[in-house]
Amino acid sequence: QKEVEQNSGPLSVPEGAIASLNCTYSDRGSQSFFWYRQYSGKSPELIMFIYSNGDKEDGRFTAQLNKASQYVSLLIRDSQPSDSATYLCAVNTGGGNKLTFGTGTQLKVEL
Amino acid sequence: ETGVTQSPTHLIKTRGQQVTLRCSSQSGHNTVSWYQQALGQGPQFIFQYYREEENGRGNFPPRFSGLQFPNYSSELNVNALELDDSALYLCASSLDGSGANVLTFGAGSRLTVL
Repeated sequence: QKEVEQNSGPLSVPEGAIASLNCTYSDRGSQSFFWYRQYSGKSPELIMFIYSNGDKEDGRFTAQLNKASQYVSLLIRDSQPSDSATYLCAVNTGGGNKLTFGTGTQLKVEL
Repeated sequence: ETGVTQSPTHLIKTRGQQVTLRCSSQSGHNTVSWYQQALGQGPQFIFQYYREEENGRGNFPPRFSGLQFPNYSSELNVNALELDDSALYLCASSLDGSGANVLTFGAGSRLTVL
């Protein structure tokens, strides 16, 4: 079992719709969770991080964490073509700055 | 405030050669981590440097080594290059190495091994 799992996609949504990206992780000791966006040929850029169970909202983005079920999700409201990218879920376990990444979900927002 | 800068941006090497990649951390950040991202994969943690010492390492062989300098900049060295070393190498800096701090990534160095 992979430590961090994501559906590779592509996930296609129409412009203006809600995109829902999911991630599961295997280590119950994981303490913090990150979503990065990566455009083709570019480096990852942080969208959001979440440490506590529940929802965290930042503009059009909402991160949701459920530690009991070991999943974290990212909702993108009012999706725009510029949101088309690969979204990487990353998990930190046990302190330090080592992040374990999933393989990413490719999101396509269609006009 | 400057971000994380990496050099070179692209390079081509042949099997068996050695390569050095460089990274300047974001202003105020004292911890540097290196990641390898193969095509179609997520980044994989190589190692982290804090106060010029390696304080965490992923599942990479010893031919991957690094340094951190007093100004917090860092180098990644890879000896005896193999074809599978072809990847995007990402440097990330953070405020300290003791907790789950947010990482800021550089633009990366794309290495091709022929």
